[in-house]
Amino acid sequence: QVQLVESGGDLVKPGGSLRLSCAASGFIFSDYYMSWIRQAPGKGLDWISYISGSGTTIYYADSVRGRFTISRDNAKNSLYLQMDSLRADDTAVYYCARSIGIVVGIDYWGQGALVTVSS
Amino acid sequence: NFMLTQPHSVSESPGKTVTISCTGSSGSIASNYVQWYQQRPGSAPTTVIYEDKQRPSGVPDRFSGSIDSSSNSASLTISGLKTEDEADYYCQSYDSSHHSWVFGGGTKLTVL
Repeated sequence: QVQLVESGGDLVKPGGSLRLSCAASGFIFSDYYMSWIRQAPGKGLDWISYISGSGTTIYYADSVRGRFTISRDNAKNSLYLQMDSLRADDTAVYYCARSIGIVVGIDYWGQGALVTVSS
Repeated sequence: NFMLTQPHSVSESPGKTVTISCTGSSGSIASNYVQWYQQRPGSAPTTVIYEDKQRPSGVPDRFSGSIDSSSNSASLTISGLKTEDEADYYCQSYDSSHHSWVFGGGTKLTVL
């Protein structure tokens, strides 16, 4: 069965960096777009970034462009999110998610990883 | 930028039918598919509708999706409400102009 397991969430100081990972299993990883979506405490869902199956197509939300970098390693069935210059308003649960195409949305979600940015 | 607007909350009694709307800010909401996600308290979201009206396997047929081009809105209808349907529901679509995904603000469904 499809599984997406995030890791790497932590408490980090403002201006710091963190790398999230998402381990995928149960499907042919390279066939799917992967994305990161976050949810600040008590707030709604907020799309961060997506990457195509080959890794050649990448887009970011304005709020993170230039600070966050999405990548994937298809040999390791893994998705990553490198987060730099973190700010307090980046505090959120970060979900990785799978989709067959960018216009059809998400079919599977991970359980989420909590990132807290605080001094 | 393209935005999706949902009611903040809705409530209905068990066994009844409820409809949650999702209105597009500009252009035609029918131009790209709309998805609906359910998020129960303390849990990750799950997909209940994709491609406007398709249900993933395992989602009961009490859940249905539709598009109304005249009002530029999508709707999620849940019939035969159960207490387990109490959750936050989010609509989502693709903004072709900005190559971005857009989520509605979410609707809290209370079944009482």
